[in-house]
Amino acid sequence: AQSVTQPDIHITVSEGASLELRCNYSYGATPYLFWYVQSPGQGLQLLLKYFSGDTLVQGIKGFEAEFKRSQSSFNLRKPSVHWSDAAEYFCAVGGIAGGGNKLTFGTGTQLKVEL
Amino acid sequence: DGGITQSPKYLFRKEGQNVTLSCEQNLNHDAMYWYRQDPGQGLRLIYYSQIVNDFQKGDIAEGYSVSREKKESFPLTVTSAQKNPTAFYLCASSIGGQPSFGEGSWLTVV
Repeated sequence: AQSVTQPDIHITVSEGASLELRCNYSYGATPYLFWYVQSPGQGLQLLLKYFSGDTLVQGIKGFEAEFKRSQSSFNLRKPSVHWSDAAEYFCAVGGIAGGGNKLTFGTGTQLKVEL
Repeated sequence: DGGITQSPKYLFRKEGQNVTLSCEQNLNHDAMYWYRQDPGQGLRLIYYSQIVNDFQKGDIAEGYSVSREKKESFPLTVTSAQKNPTAFYLCASSIGGQPSFGEGSWLTVV
């Protein structure tokens, strides 16, 4: 069964500091990997995705993520955090094979940005 | 504009009542999904549908029902059999492996 682990429930960083949010996954084939961001009471916005190819993917709002197959990881990074980045971030894994693209989500990481 | 519309945004239900959450998409996506979100638990899949007139149970289908009579629509009914329905519900649709999400519906049991 596919699964996602986001080991950090809460993270606090100062504005301007770098950020790394961790994500580890379990999937039986080549995974599709996603990072979503959610503001309170809102839907999910896609930050970036990995399907194949270059393992370093660039997303919106200055985010990037690196797929490391050997570590089953897909960590999200940003070199300089802005106060508006405060939100909850979800990593998800899925694939086309079998029953459609059923995404499995991690439990999320709540990011707080100190001014 | 293309997108996914969920309604209502906020819904209150009395115990023992069934309620239906609407999800409509004009993206021409084949697949549609319903997720439930509870604090600290991420999103859990309730039901999904890959084509019209076909759907499958997800991880937490008990107490819920769906239909897929049209490609654009995938309503979710929360039945009285769902013992703890208070949650945030998200609908999604996808084509080619990348889901897009609606803005969500808050359901509260009073």
